[in-house]
Amino acid sequence: AQKITQTQPGMFVQEKEAVTLDCTYDTSDPSYGLFWYKQPSSGEMIFLIYQGSYDQQNATEGRYSLNFQKARKSANLVISASQLGDSAMYFCAMREVNFGNEKLTFGTGTRLTIIP
Amino acid sequence: KAGVTQTPRYLIKTRGQQVTLSCSPISGHRSVSWYQQTPGQGLQFLFEYFSETQRNKGNFPGRFSGRQFSNSRSEMNVSTLELGDSALYLCASSLGPLGTGDSGNTIYFGEGSWLTVV
Repeated sequence: AQKITQTQPGMFVQEKEAVTLDCTYDTSDPSYGLFWYKQPSSGEMIFLIYQGSYDQQNATEGRYSLNFQKARKSANLVISASQLGDSAMYFCAMREVNFGNEKLTFGTGTRLTIIP
Repeated sequence: KAGVTQTPRYLIKTRGQQVTLSCSPISGHRSVSWYQQTPGQGLQFLFEYFSETQRNKGNFPGRFSGRQFSNSRSEMNVSTLELGDSALYLCASSLGPLGTGDSGNTIYFGEGSWLTVV
């Protein structure tokens, strides 16, 4: 079963607009962590933001914020004031912490294209 | 502070050969994990090493192996290469084991090694 679902294969957004990238997850563990990474065409996976399952507030890092809705198992990434350099693949990932099965599981990604 | 360093960046190998990829984690990080990225299968977890011990392994055949040295540097080896092994191999490092779930244990990735098998 898919543990991380990203339903938007591709998105086109006008420069300077805000964009929301969707991510839903599935886990029965009470303790987990959610990451967002950006992957330009060069291949490097760049860390953007992290949300722990016990964190009371939504995470923010500069222009990035995470809209964490625990009951809905949703962890959407919001990029404010998009820039041309934001064009890339974006991956949502979940850290599973159950002993003996610890790993990072990725979604299929969303290709974001910023239009000038 | 230097990031995660992977070498080589690009390589081409022939079917049946073997390949070794190297990963130097961020200074002070003791966990190194490896991932394979292909257009068909996406990003898949290979294995994790912490303090020179393999802690977890993904669903890959025994041709895929790894090790970690006392300075936390890690190598990944693929023997008897197949065409389907062509992929981007990404290495990630973190302070603690993958399963340590707090914001202080952020997982950082390197630039990856692009492997083409012909």
